[in-house]
Amino acid sequence: AQSVTQLGSHVSVSEGALVLLRCNYSSSVPPYLFWYVQYPNQGLQLLLKYTTGATLVKGINGFEAEFKKSETSFHLTKPSAHMSDAAEYFCAVSDSGTSYGKLTFGQGTILTVHP
Amino acid sequence: NAGVTQTPKFRILKIGQSMTLQCTQDMNHNYMYWYRQDPGMGLKLIYYSVGAGITDKGEVPNGYNVSRSTTEDFPLRLELAAPSQTSVYFCASSYSNSPGELFFGEGSRLTVL
Repeated sequence: AQSVTQLGSHVSVSEGALVLLRCNYSSSVPPYLFWYVQYPNQGLQLLLKYTTGATLVKGINGFEAEFKKSETSFHLTKPSAHMSDAAEYFCAVSDSGTSYGKLTFGQGTILTVHP
Repeated sequence: NAGVTQTPKFRILKIGQSMTLQCTQDMNHNYMYWYRQDPGMGLKLIYYSVGAGITDKGEVPNGYNVSRSTTEDFPLRLELAAPSQTSVYFCASSYSNSPGELFFGEGSRLTVL
């Protein structure tokens, strides 16, 4: 069975500071990895994904994440936080086999950005 | 292009009542999903479908039923509502050649009292 652990349910940063949201996964097969963002009272939106190939993936709004197989991690970063980045972020995993896109989500990390 | 549309957005049920959450998508996606979101718990998969006429259980299917008679629609039925079903429910869809890239509806907030 797959699982996802997001370290830190709340992260607070100042505007302009580095954003680092941590995600570790477990999977018995090569994983597909995703980061989703949820703004208040909205559905989730895909930020970025890793399937195969380059381990550093870039997404929307200046976010990027690096797949590190040896560390079973897929941490999300952004060099400079903006007020509009305040939201809840979810890491998710599916296996690369016939999973029909079923995702296992982490518990979420709420990002607060202070002026 | 509306994407994934869910109705109703809010609903209060009494214990033992039944209801259907509606979900429709206009992107011609084969795959559709129902998730529930509880605070601090992330999202849990209830049911999913890989095409019209095909449905299967996810991680937390008890107390729910689904059907998929058309590509566009994927309603979720709650039978005999219980307080444990108080949650926010999200419908999502994806292309079969881009699994995991989900398009979500805005959610349906259900309270069972």
